[in-house]
Amino acid sequence: AQKITQTQPGMFVQEKEAVTLDCTYDTSDQSYGLFWYKQPSSGEMIFLIYQGSYDEQNATEGRYSLNFQKARKSANLVISASQLGDSAMYFCAMRDPDRGSTLGRLYFGRGTQLTVWP
Amino acid sequence: DGGITQSPKYLFRKEGQNVTLSCEQNLNHDAMYWYRQDPGQGLRLIYYSQIVNDFQKGDIAEGYSVSREKKESFPLTVTSAQKNPTAFYLCASSIWPSSETQYFGPGTRLLVL
Repeated sequence: AQKITQTQPGMFVQEKEAVTLDCTYDTSDQSYGLFWYKQPSSGEMIFLIYQGSYDEQNATEGRYSLNFQKARKSANLVISASQLGDSAMYFCAMRDPDRGSTLGRLYFGRGTQLTVWP
Repeated sequence: DGGITQSPKYLFRKEGQNVTLSCEQNLNHDAMYWYRQDPGQGLRLIYYSQIVNDFQKGDIAEGYSVSREKKESFPLTVTSAQKNPTAFYLCASSIWPSSETQYFGPGTRLLVL
């Protein structure tokens, strides 16, 4: 069974500081994908960043970077220069490899509520 | 603009009533998905579909039904058999084979009267 663990129910960070949101995963597959999504209070899930299991470089997208440590099975999200608009719930997710019927489905963690204060 | 639309934004269900949540996408994506989110929880997969006229059950399909008659549309029916339907429902789509990201709609919040 696949499993995503986010151990931080809530995190607080001051504006302009960096913050790391933790994510560990459990899989016996060699090929998989890791995602981070942001969910503001409006409810929509916004894609932030993707890391493939065979990617040697850590993924970066603007102020977001993914600290991928394959041996530790961790995929932490780093947000640099936090902004007030970053306050939201953040979800880590893992995708199965495509096996036809499983369609590369996503498994989600329970999320971390990030609050950015001035 | 390309994207995923869900309607309605809020939906109220009476006891014993079936209700249908709409999901439409104009991204030309092959695969579509329905997720359920309960407070303080991550998303759980209800149903997914990779092509027209084909769909598979996810982890919590009991009490739900879907259809995929058109590539753009993947409606979800919450039947009276679903005893605890109050939740936030999210539809997503992706290119298939799904080496690509899943993109989500704005969601429908279902409440029981």
